[in-house]
Amino acid sequence: EAQVTQNPRYLITVTGKKLTVTCSQNMNHEYMSWYRQDPGLGLRQIYYSMNVEVTDKGDVPEGYKVSRKEKRNFPLILESPSPNQTSLYFCASSLQNGQTLTFGAGSRLTVL
Amino acid sequence: SQQGEEDPQALSIQEGENATMNCSYKTSINNLQWYRQNSGRGLVHLILIRSNEREKHSGRLRVTLDTSKKSSSLLITASRAADTASYFCATSQGLYSGGGADGLTFGKGTHLIIQP
Repeated sequence: EAQVTQNPRYLITVTGKKLTVTCSQNMNHEYMSWYRQDPGLGLRQIYYSMNVEVTDKGDVPEGYKVSRKEKRNFPLILESPSPNQTSLYFCASSLQNGQTLTFGAGSRLTVL
Repeated sequence: SQQGEEDPQALSIQEGENATMNCSYKTSINNLQWYRQNSGRGLVHLILIRSNEREKHSGRLRVTLDTSKKSSSLLITASRAADTASYFCATSQGLYSGGGADGLTFGKGTHLIIQP
């Protein structure tokens, strides 16, 4: 089944403890992106990747890192999480930038 | 940066009625897409309309696009309880719009409630 898989789905952590949210797609998509969703703010793009080894900042990149070493994987790294990064995170991919996105199920992160 | 803006923010109708929600955007686009999100879940793509198209249908969904007014509407006919969800429009400015965030930019959504 064509899908985007994120893990973990739920995570509670403490300030400063590094964490990684993994994202994997099995559709051979070139474009991948991370969004965060907060009440009243909608979806905001964190980072995106046009292809392997090509990543760039979105609207709200501060406090996040990404890498794209393989086409299928696009992990989101929080080096030193803070409470303002408590949010619902979505990974998404598409064949190319601007085309229809397939979203993961979401990762709900709470930073205490 | 946010471009699409949905209206209304929330809509409650009776089952069987039609639901219309609107999206306005600011700059020229390559295409506009509508997505549905059930509570707390991932967004699901509904329909894509290109900038040179005016209307598109998919089952009970009808999308219109008016590039002169920079607006789009999503009509759901004969609504069902299962249509209860948030609906987002997203705009694409092309393969590479240059500078800052790229790809689809989403509005804040319309929360639709279908009363049984």
